[in-house]
Amino acid sequence: DGGITQSPKYLFRKEGQNVTLSCEQNLNHDAMYWYRQDPGQGLRLIYYSQIVNDFQKGDIAEGYSVSREKKESFPLTVTSAQKNPTAFYLCASSSQGAAQETQYFGPGTRLLVL
Amino acid sequence: GESVGLHLPTLSVQEGDNSIINCAYSNSASDYFIWYKQESGKGPQFIIDIRSNMDKRQGQRVTVLLNKTVKHLSLQIAATQPGDSAVYFCAETAIKAAGNKLTFGGGTRVLVKP
Repeated sequence: DGGITQSPKYLFRKEGQNVTLSCEQNLNHDAMYWYRQDPGQGLRLIYYSQIVNDFQKGDIAEGYSVSREKKESFPLTVTSAQKNPTAFYLCASSSQGAAQETQYFGPGTRLLVL
Repeated sequence: GESVGLHLPTLSVQEGDNSIINCAYSNSASDYFIWYKQESGKGPQFIIDIRSNMDKRQGQRVTVLLNKTVKHLSLQIAATQPGDSAVYFCAETAIKAAGNKLTFGGGTRVLVKP
């Protein structure tokens, strides 16, 4: 099956802990994105990457970090600096990150704070 | 700042009737629009897109209308089915947007009554 996978489905974070969310795609897409979704709201862009070893901050990057060492992988770390991390996290990808390309989404990871 | 918004947060529709979901956008530079469907606990699913050089585009049971004069976008679903119950988001981007950044509206929940 081709597509975007995210793991885990649910993730629990303790106070002061860093946690990493996984995103993998086998669509051979160059561009990958991370969004945050709060209850009853739309998606907000955290980080995006148009090519391996390069990434850019989105609208709400504070308290998050990413890496893009491989084309198919774009992990997101929620650091202890993110004071309100409880949300639904969505990863997406598009072919080249060019204008007017459709972004395709993974199934999401729900992060909860203990 | 620029934003994409929706007029109706919840739409109840009788099974078999047509649904119309509306979206207003404020960025006059936006030239590509996408409708996504999101079922509970899942990632957004691409439905249909439209570019600014078009006024109307049809898919399977769905039609998107774009009125650039009043910056308004709508999604029409014909013969609404129970499986259409979900939250629908519009998203927009501009050809000049770095990294193909999408701006999402807040979403409209569609409830299909049997």
